[in-house]
Amino acid sequence: NAGVTQTPKFQVLKTGQSMTLQCAQDMNHNSMYWYRQDPGMGLRLIYYSASEGTTDKGEVPNGYNVSRLNKREFSLRLESAAPSQTSVYFCASSEAVEWEGDTQYFGPGTRLTVL
Amino acid sequence: AQSVTQLDSQVPVFEEAPVELRCNYSSSVSVYLFWYVQYPNQGLQLLLKYLSGSTLVKGINGFEAEFNKSQTSFHLRKPSVHISDTAEYFCAFTGGGNKLTFGTGTQLKVEL
Repeated sequence: NAGVTQTPKFQVLKTGQSMTLQCAQDMNHNSMYWYRQDPGMGLRLIYYSASEGTTDKGEVPNGYNVSRLNKREFSLRLESAAPSQTSVYFCASSEAVEWEGDTQYFGPGTRLTVL
Repeated sequence: AQSVTQLDSQVPVFEEAPVELRCNYSSSVSVYLFWYVQYPNQGLQLLLKYLSGSTLVKGINGFEAEFNKSQTSFHLRKPSVHISDTAEYFCAFTGGGNKLTFGTGTQLKVEL
């Protein structure tokens, strides 16, 4: 099992450009998440999908959109990138739907720089 | 609003010495508590978690944590660290229908 995979690993964008970060999991998990990690701020939830066909905003959703393409895939789109979106982005998944004690499994991350 | 505090942003320690990484949370409801580890240039992985029952939780790589409800703490300990334990450690918790909330992380640097 590959677990959670993310593409690309690295990306440099210019302000105003758009891009989509891809995430896939092969663990048959119901829930998937997108986080951003910034120095000294820990991980902050951008969007999540509790089950196929549903998505909800997290703590910092502004400037992002998501698509739960199917049970395996959950993409994050930046429509018009800004320097404030320079960050490391992590995708995660968990087995249960809305069970708070569930373990989340993380991908290796995408390092995004917006110039 | 719930929050989690990791007071120490960096903890240097010599190899084979004991270490404690501190975590305090703020919540008015029952909580589930987690410690995740992030090795350089990797994603996070679960070290251990507390759901219920015994307040002393054992995890991978010789780490353990103790849940203290009265002090709202969940400190992580290891009696003897190794160079390979150098990583960033995140405390996190959920409860009351809220999503996972992460602390700001503690960088553990193990020196020879």
